[in-house]
Amino acid sequence: QQQVKQSPQSLIVQKGGISIINCAYENTAFDYFPWYQQFPGKGPALLIAIRPDVSEKKEGRFTISFNKSAKQFSLHIMDSQPGDSATYFCAASIGGATNKLIFGTGTLLAVQP
Amino acid sequence: DAGITQSPRYKITETGRQVTLMCHQTWSHSYMFWYRQDLGHGLRLIYYSAAADITDKGEVPDGYVVSRSKTENFPLTLESATRSQTSVYFCASRTTGGSYNEQFFGPGTRLTVL
Repeated sequence: QQQVKQSPQSLIVQKGGISIINCAYENTAFDYFPWYQQFPGKGPALLIAIRPDVSEKKEGRFTISFNKSAKQFSLHIMDSQPGDSATYFCAASIGGATNKLIFGTGTLLAVQP
Repeated sequence: DAGITQSPRYKITETGRQVTLMCHQTWSHSYMFWYRQDLGHGLRLIYYSAAADITDKGEVPDGYVVSRSKTENFPLTLESATRSQTSVYFCASRTTGGSYNEQFFGPGTRLTVL
């Protein structure tokens, strides 16, 4: 019940296309859903995050869509660029002081020029 | 250097040896975390700390020991390294409060146990 399932494992998208990565969770107590971006040789960095009281959050070309009833959330990257090529992790946590993150298994995105 | 740093960046050791990975942050963040990253598993929490002298187990704590005598440092020790502990280790920190509780990650330590 603490798992976050992420798909696909890898994704190849043409420049200018839309990249979509999906995550699903079981624990309805989760109340914070961030996406992290990781470039090779670097640590993950927060990209965008959402709480379940909204269905969508957009920051530039990056959008999180959240479906509370289905217990699913997804990352959409519009107008994908080669510089977006990275590994993306979804995560979830239960609020409170500790706020431990449970991460998905990651998606390796390659945007071809 | 400002931010969160890890040392060493790369380490090769042998089975049975003790290894300590260092993590240092300059923000005075209360919370610090250790994760391991393995293909097919994503990032898994090993240990975390809410403040100096307060630590707790995460998802995969077996074989690891942590301490936190100072707010800025959070070393991770493998008491007797095993091949299954070959991994990339990330330290992270975050402050308390704020609406999203962002965790800031270090650059990682790639550990190989022969």
